[in-house]
Amino acid sequence: IAGITQAPTSQILAAGRRMTLRCTQDMRHNAMYWYRQDLGLGLRLIHYSNTAGTTGKGEVPDGYSVSRANTDDFPLTLASAVPSQTSVYFCASSDQPGLRLQFFGPGTRLTVL
Amino acid sequence: KQEVTQIPAALSVPEGENLVLNCSFTDSAIYNLQWFRQDPGKGLTSLLLIQSSQREQTSGRLNASLDKSSGRSTLYIAASQPGDSATYLCAIHGSSNTGKLIFGQGTTLQVKP
Repeated sequence: IAGITQAPTSQILAAGRRMTLRCTQDMRHNAMYWYRQDLGLGLRLIHYSNTAGTTGKGEVPDGYSVSRANTDDFPLTLASAVPSQTSVYFCASSDQPGLRLQFFGPGTRLTVL
Repeated sequence: KQEVTQIPAALSVPEGENLVLNCSFTDSAIYNLQWFRQDPGKGLTSLLLIQSSQREQTSGRLNASLDKSSGRSTLYIAASQPGDSATYLCAIHGSSNTGKLIFGQGTTLQVKP
């Protein structure tokens, strides 16, 4: 089934540890996005990539990094996790950048202790 | 700064009722508006996308309208069913370049059998 997969489904992490959240899509979409969802704050954009080889900062990029080595994969890395990064992380994609329909993955629930 | 508000935060209706979910935004100079559904512990499913030049979009029992001048969008659900129970999110494209979505905090709908 075509779509977006994310791994892991959930993770408990000690503060200070490094963590990479994986996102893969098989729709050959050019644009990909990472959002975090927090109670009371809704979903906020962390980073985005308009096409393979390019990335950009969203609304809340601090503490996170991304790479886009190819079309399908868009990993999100927390270099040194902090408790405020406890959240549900969603990866999304659209066929082209900009004002296009976005499709979301199932999410990764991350708890930083 | 664009802000998106959804009121009420929660809504409970008996099965079979027609209902309207509201979404308001502070800056009428929007691009597209997208409605999503989120089931508990799951990702987001795109329901409808209304382009800024359109006034409404329909998909099955769902009808979304957009009134940019008043800063409002509504999602009409006809003949509600228990399976419609979920959180409904509206989101506005905040940038034509990045595809950034600005989300409301959602309305959690419960349809009682």
